[in-house]
Amino acid sequence: LAKTTQPISMDSYEGQEVNITCSHNNIATNDYITWYQQFPSQGPRFIIQGYKTKVTNEVASLFIPADRKSSTLSLPRVSLSDTAVYYCLVGDFRNAGNNRKLIWGLGTSLAVNP
Amino acid sequence: NAGVTQTPKFQVLKTGQSMTLQCAQDMNHNSMYWYRQDPGMGLRLIYYSASEGTTDKGEVPNGYNVSRLNKREFSLRLESAAPSQTSVYFCASSELGVGGGYEQYFGPGTRLTVT
Repeated sequence: LAKTTQPISMDSYEGQEVNITCSHNNIATNDYITWYQQFPSQGPRFIIQGYKTKVTNEVASLFIPADRKSSTLSLPRVSLSDTAVYYCLVGDFRNAGNNRKLIWGLGTSLAVNP
Repeated sequence: NAGVTQTPKFQVLKTGQSMTLQCAQDMNHNSMYWYRQDPGMGLRLIYYSASEGTTDKGEVPNGYNVSRLNKREFSLRLESAAPSQTSVYFCASSELGVGGGYEQYFGPGTRLTVT
């Protein structure tokens, strides 16, 4: 069963690039890697998802090495509003049966300072 | 579109009482999920429903039951609440996205306290 490990907290400054790495040594062949953002008193919000190599959207990039045992969320030029908790999720959404395992990391609390 | 809605937002129960948390989504998603979130524990999957008419256990199902009432609604029931069930409960739904991935959409959560 995949277990995800990520740093508890990180600090940054406005305008910098932030990279948050998640370790998932036991990732299964069919598992996807997904990152979510959560603000206090709100539900998590999807940021980006990937299976291998690199994925980029309008808010972030996700880097996944060939062995898929880790992944790195990259947030370019962060602002104060990016202060939040970021979660790594590893799981197989395609499995429609009773083996759909969704393993969340404990979250990385990112503080962006002016 | 309201997305995913949950009721109630807050609830206080006494040990042994029962209650049902309601969840509805208006995005026509096939899959729905119930999570609990505790400090220092992250999110843990309680039950999920891959499609209408099916439900399956997640990581922490003990003490809970679920009902997928129809494609829109997925409820979570606590038959006899215990203090260990004090938590924030999130409902989510998902569907295969354009890029082939699965994006979960979360509700605002229900903050439950069991005394």
